[in-house]
Amino acid sequence: NAGVTQTPKFQVLKTGQSMTLQCAQDMNHEYMSWYRQDPGMGLRLIHYSVGAGITDQGEVPNGYNVSRSTTEDFPLRLLSAAPSQTSVYFCASSSGQGTYEQYFGPGTRLTVT
Amino acid sequence: SQQGEEDPQALSIQEGENATMNCSYKTSINNLQWYRQNSGRGLVHLILIRSNEREKHSGRLRVTLDTSKKSSSLLITASRAADTASYFCATDTGGGNKLTFGTGTQLKVEL
Repeated sequence: NAGVTQTPKFQVLKTGQSMTLQCAQDMNHEYMSWYRQDPGMGLRLIHYSVGAGITDQGEVPNGYNVSRSTTEDFPLRLLSAAPSQTSVYFCASSSGQGTYEQYFGPGTRLTVT
Repeated sequence: SQQGEEDPQALSIQEGENATMNCSYKTSINNLQWYRQNSGRGLVHLILIRSNEREKHSGRLRVTLDTSKKSSSLLITASRAADTASYFCATDTGGGNKLTFGTGTQLKVEL
């Protein structure tokens, strides 16, 4: 199993540009989440999904959109990038069946200039 | 706001010594989890303790939970250089999908 994969690994955007961060998992997990990690802070939850077709907001959802059309994929869209969105983004998944361990992807380092 | 605050922010010890990290949180939880993050990498799950448990062991790891004080500690015994990483506590307040992370402890284990 590849686990949780994320693309791209690095991205530089100009203010106002849009882009999609890709996340996929091959473990047939129901739960998927997006977090951002900023220096000196822990991870903060952006959006999450408890299954295909179901998404909800986390702690810091503004400026981001998600959708979950399949169990495997959970893309994160930045609508109009801002310098405040410079961060490292992590996708995670868990089975959601009584076990709560989350499996993390390797992250996408995004810089907005 | 962050649910968990960790203490200390940074810890430097010699190989073979024990490392203790503490986590405090603010609201009731279903479970508390500890994760490790090596530099530039994703997080790896270490151990989970449920709200009705007080202590749990896994290899060289020992986790305690005091729900009355809303605090947890992670003890790594006989530390190794490979344990050098950042350690985060994360609280699950329901559903198992919404984790709230602390700010982390940076552990450095020197030879």
